[in-house]
Amino acid sequence: RKEVEQDPGPFNVPEGATVAFNCTYSNSASQSFFWYRQDCRKEPKLLMSVYSSGNEDGRFTAQLNRASQYISLLIRDSKLSDSATYLCVVNILGFKTIFGAGTRLFVKA
Amino acid sequence: DVKVTQSSRYLVKRTGEKVFLECVQDMDHENMFWYRQDPGLGLRLIYFSYDVKMKEKGDIPEGYSVSREKKERFSLILESASTNQTSMYLCASSLFRSGVGFDEQYFGPGTRLTVT
Repeated sequence: RKEVEQDPGPFNVPEGATVAFNCTYSNSASQSFFWYRQDCRKEPKLLMSVYSSGNEDGRFTAQLNRASQYISLLIRDSKLSDSATYLCVVNILGFKTIFGAGTRLFVKA
Repeated sequence: DVKVTQSSRYLVKRTGEKVFLECVQDMDHENMFWYRQDPGLGLRLIYFSYDVKMKEKGDIPEGYSVSREKKERFSLILESASTNQTSMYLCASSLFRSGVGFDEQYFGPGTRLTVT
């Protein structure tokens, strides 16, 4: 079993739709969590940090569920420009960081 | 504006050649990373360094070595390139925060290496 797992998708949604991705992790010593966005042929860039209380940035909401060991990313009112791969990242206590393989999102006009 | 640069965007090498990939960051970050990214496998950590001359193996260090002689520069070396090392190589840097671990990682643009 992978330490960090994501549904690879692709998720195909129309503009204006709401879409949600989950990311599960297996190590209970996971201490911090992030969502990164990676555009085609580009490097990953931080989208959001995920705090225990959840956090929101405009149309994006991230949640953490420690009991079930997953984090989620919700995108409201999808835009064409949201088309990308979304990477879940988990820091394990100490010096370990693990990237999920990513979820591809296509937003259609 | 934060910057991580990599020496080449595209590289083609022959099997058995020694390959050097260079990465430079200008943010004074103590931590630097080398990943490779392959379809369906995501980013896999090859090595990271938490200080000058310090290095730690990641998940897939076999066939690679690294060098960090200066804080801003982290080099990845393929001693004898093989076709299964054809991949996208990404360098990153970050700070470390107590209670968080590695903070936001800033990536370079990547080097697409093809070994023939």
